Amino acid sequence: EAQVTQNPRYLITVTGKKLTVTCSQNMNHEYMSWYRQDPGLGLRQIYYSMNVEVTDKGDVPEGYKVSRKEKRNFPLILESPSPNQTSLYFCASSFGASGRAMLFGPGTRLTVL
Amino acid sequence: AQSVTQLGSHVSVSEGALVLLRCNYSSSVPPYLFWYVQYPNQGLQLLLKYTSAATLVKGINGFEAEFKKSETSFHLTKPSAHMSDAAEYFCAVSDGAGNMLTFGGGTRLMVKP
Repeated sequence: EAQVTQNPRYLITVTGKKLTVTCSQNMNHEYMSWYRQDPGLGLRQIYYSMNVEVTDKGDVPEGYKVSRKEKRNFPLILESPSPNQTSLYFCASSFGASGRAMLFGPGTRLTVL
Repeated sequence: AQSVTQLGSHVSVSEGALVLLRCNYSSSVPPYLFWYVQYPNQGLQLLLKYTSAATLVKGINGFEAEFKKSETSFHLTKPSAHMSDAAEYFCAVSDGAGNMLTFGGGTRLMVKP
């Protein structure tokens, strides 16, 4: 079954404690992306990757890092989380990017105290 | 820069009534347009997409959308609402390069019995 998996699904942490949210896809997709969803703001892109070792900033990259060492994995790293990063995070992937529909993961609900 | 505006953050219809969710976009290049649906506590699923073929696009679950270039709109419709349609709906636009998928703020559809 084609899917995007994220772990953990729920996380409560404290300010400044480094964390990583993992994302993995099993479809050999080149393109992967991270979004955060906040009420009234829809989804905003944090970072995206066109392929292995190729990443770029989206609309709201501040406070986040990513890496793409393998095609299937695209972890999101928060080096020093702050309360304004409390949000619902989605990873997504697709074959290429232009005109291709993206497959989304189930989401990770992060709370930073 | 591209942007998406969804008119009405909440829409309420009666079961069996017409569903109309509005989406207007701006893009400096011919756009790719998408509608996604998000059921409670789930990720986003693709409803339909427009990629410069037919202007009337049919999607899953009886939904369809019409691309109107002159009005820069891509409204989503369904002739007869069902209780199971209650969800949040997101319109999104992708630029020609496809690197950025920009979402609207979302419209929560409520269906009354």
